[in-house]
Amino acid sequence: AQRVTQPEKLLSVFKGAPVELKCNYSYSGSPELFWYVQYSRQRLQLLLRHISRESIKGFTADLNKGETSFHLKKPFAQEEDSAMYYCALIRISGGSNYKLTFGKGTLLTVNP
Amino acid sequence: DTGVSQNPRHKITKRGQNVTFRCDPISEHNRLYWYRQTLGQGPEFLTYFQNEAQLEKSRLLSDRFSAERPKGSFSTLEIQRTEQGDSAMYLCASSVTHEQYFGPGTRLTVT
Repeated sequence: AQRVTQPEKLLSVFKGAPVELKCNYSYSGSPELFWYVQYSRQRLQLLLRHISRESIKGFTADLNKGETSFHLKKPFAQEEDSAMYYCALIRISGGSNYKLTFGKGTLLTVNP
Repeated sequence: DTGVSQNPRHKITKRGQNVTFRCDPISEHNRLYWYRQTLGQGPEFLTYFQNEAQLEKSRLLSDRFSAERPKGSFSTLEIQRTEQGDSAMYLCASSVTHEQYFGPGTRLTVT
């Protein structure tokens, strides 16, 4: 079975500092990885997916299959980045139903 | 608002009562998912529909839980004989491809 691990429950940085939210996964097949974000009092929303290789709101994430990681990075954190971040995986295989397996989340606080 | 909607947003019920939640997906989305989220955890998969067919159920979904999606449109999730352990946020998501769009959730409190 697949698993997603986010080792940090809480991460606090100052505005303008670099930020990296860690995500490791275990799955023997080919996964698709996502980062979802939940701002205060808002619904869960997709931030980015590895297959699109986009930068959203200054965030990037690279899938490292050797290290089975998908860390989320931003060079200069902003106060509005304060939110709960979830790493998630979809199993891509024959008959996949595309259900998401989530990590437990990391609460990012960006201090002024 | 053309996003996923869920009703009610909050539900408080006494142990032993039955509750039903509704999810209205984005109109052209054929896939619909239910997840449950408890404090300090990420969402956990409960069940999945493709159109009106329920294709997978998690072992988290005990016999007291039932979900339907008549005509492949809205979906309902019913919990019978609620227990305190059922207290959680119940999330619905819909998709056409791999990108799932989430509703605001229904927070259930069982007293």
